[in-house]
Amino acid sequence: DTAVSQTPKYLVTQMGNDKSIKCEQNLGHDTMYWYKQDSKKFLKIMFSYNNKELIINETVPNRFSPKSPDKAHLNLHINSLELGDSAVYFCASSQEGQTNEKLFFGSGTQLSVL
Amino acid sequence: GNSVTQMEGPVTLSEEAFLTINCTYTATGYPSLFWYVQYPGEGLQLLLKATKADDKGSNKGFEATYRKETTSFHLEKGSVQVSDSAVYFCARGAFGGKLTFGQGTILTVHP
Repeated sequence: DTAVSQTPKYLVTQMGNDKSIKCEQNLGHDTMYWYKQDSKKFLKIMFSYNNKELIINETVPNRFSPKSPDKAHLNLHINSLELGDSAVYFCASSQEGQTNEKLFFGSGTQLSVL
Repeated sequence: GNSVTQMEGPVTLSEEAFLTINCTYTATGYPSLFWYVQYPGEGLQLLLKATKADDKGSNKGFEATYRKETTSFHLEKGSVQVSDSAVYFCARGAFGGKLTFGQGTILTVHP
């Protein structure tokens, strides 16, 4: 069983559309994250949630709205997609959200905005 | 602010060569330090970590030592294999379990 799974793996869409990426973890972790990886492989955190509560919101445009219906799920909705949103988006989870914890990553969603 | 700086890549080596990828960090206090590896088409996986000064993390022949005096956490392996070809990320832990990553170093190992 995949520990952190995200869907879809590939997403190709037009500018201006609205899209969602889903993430689920079956590890029983309390904390989940969204990271964005750009074309140069640079990774930056976007959001984190702990037990459905928003903990980190790292100056992301408000077109991006995370939603955590329960602690095992953290979905990412993106409104009015722009060319610059093209990237690979990674979901991750950790046990409690402590600074010394290992993060478990999903395999990524490659978003291409045309 | 808190940041992580990694050696620029790409790095290309022959099999059995010695590998070093440099990593330095800036931070207040003593953050936990990590190396993650990303194989093609996959998410990141933890390679090793160290949570306090002078700790050595090790896994799969890779090692890194937390050096407080030089604020460094360099990754080393004595003899690389073709299967080690991947992107390597140094990272430091922060509030809420957030990781601040270096820019990543692409490693290619040739037979």
